[in-house]
Amino acid sequence: AQSVTQPDIHITVSEGASLELRCNYSYGATPYLFWYVQSPGQGLQLLLKYFSGDTLVQGIKGFEAEFKRSQSSFNLRKPSVHWSDAAEYFCAVGAPVGFQKLVFGTGTRLLVSP
Amino acid sequence: DVKVTQSSRYLVKRTGEKVFLECVQDMDHENMFWYRQDPGLGLRLIYFSYDVKMKEKGDIPEGYSVSREKKERFSLILESASTNQTSMYLCASSLGQGLQPQHFGDGTRLSIL
Repeated sequence: AQSVTQPDIHITVSEGASLELRCNYSYGATPYLFWYVQSPGQGLQLLLKYFSGDTLVQGIKGFEAEFKRSQSSFNLRKPSVHWSDAAEYFCAVGAPVGFQKLVFGTGTRLLVSP
Repeated sequence: DVKVTQSSRYLVKRTGEKVFLECVQDMDHENMFWYRQDPGLGLRLIYFSYDVKMKEKGDIPEGYSVSREKKERFSLILESASTNQTSMYLCASSLGQGLQPQHFGDGTRLSIL
């Protein structure tokens, strides 16, 4: 069965600095990979997804993620963080065959300092 | 703009009550989901539905049931609420064959006293 680990519970970044949120997955083949963001008091919003092809995926709000098969990782990046990016971020993994449901990580809360 | 609407943002119920959480989507999506979200545990799938009157158990279905009589509406039912069901409940929907939720509601924070 697939699983996903987000090793950082909290991360604090200064506004304007770059950001990288870590995500490691466990799966026997190349899975489908996702990043979601949850702003306070709201549901989750899909930032980006990887199914196959180019390992660098562009998403909404200026985010990107890179799939690295050798490291079983799918880290989320943003070159310059804005205060409005403060939120909780969830990585998720799904099997690429059949009708498989997603498994979510436990989330990383991003704090943005002025 | 696409919309998944959950009927209540906050709900307080008593142990043993039957509780209904309602979710409506306006995107004609086939798939609908109920998750619960708890600190340190992420999101866990309770039930999902890929068509009207069709339902499948997720990872934690015990103590819950669901109903999907119309395509746009997916209801979560706590048959006899217990304190360990105090949580944030999120409804989601998606189009197509994969079980990857695309659009989420804002959640219902349910407290069972």
